[in-house]
Amino acid sequence: QQQVKQSPQSLIVQKGGISIINCAYENTAFDYFPWYQQFPGKGPALLIAIRPDVSEKKEGRFTISFNKSAKQFSLHIMDSQPGDSATYFCAASSSGTYKYIFGTGTRLKVLA
Amino acid sequence: SQTIHQWPATLVQPVGSPLSLECTVEGTSNPNLYWYRQAAGRGLQLLFYSVGIGQISSEVPQNLSASRPQDRQFILSSKKLLLSDSGFYLCAWSVRTGRYGYTFGSGTRLTVV
Repeated sequence: QQQVKQSPQSLIVQKGGISIINCAYENTAFDYFPWYQQFPGKGPALLIAIRPDVSEKKEGRFTISFNKSAKQFSLHIMDSQPGDSATYFCAASSSGTYKYIFGTGTRLKVLA
Repeated sequence: SQTIHQWPATLVQPVGSPLSLECTVEGTSNPNLYWYRQAAGRGLQLLFYSVGIGQISSEVPQNLSASRPQDRQFILSSKKLLLSDSGFYLCAWSVRTGRYGYTFGSGTRLTVV
């Protein structure tokens, strides 16, 4: 019940296309859902996050869509660029805990 | 502004040797601190977290230990390294209250030979 399932494991998208990464969870106590971006040899960096009181959050070309009833959330990267090529992790946590549960990661490659 | 420092960046150690990785945070007080390990091409495995000086919670039984001798210092140690300890070790911090995500350090690539 503590797992966060992330798909796909890898993704190849043409430049200018839309990249979509999905995550699903079981624990209804989760109330914070961040996404992290990691470039090779670097630590992950917080990209965007959402709380379950909203269904969508947009920051630039990055959008999180959140479906509370389905217990799913997804990251959409619009107008994908080669510089977006990285590994993306979703995560979840619940109030009162100090830990984030991470998905297994999606390796995104955007072709020029 | 807050910064997190992690060193060394790379480390090659023989099997059976000791390990000490250090992480420090600047610009904040009373942070939560975390050690993660990432195997090649894999996800993030939480090893230890700490909510205060001397308070360590272990997530996975293993050959490693952690200590927090000061508020903003977190150390990952091993007395005898195994080949399976190879990986990318990441330190992270978060604020104690509220929810603003983790900030990760730049990581240490450990290769046990």
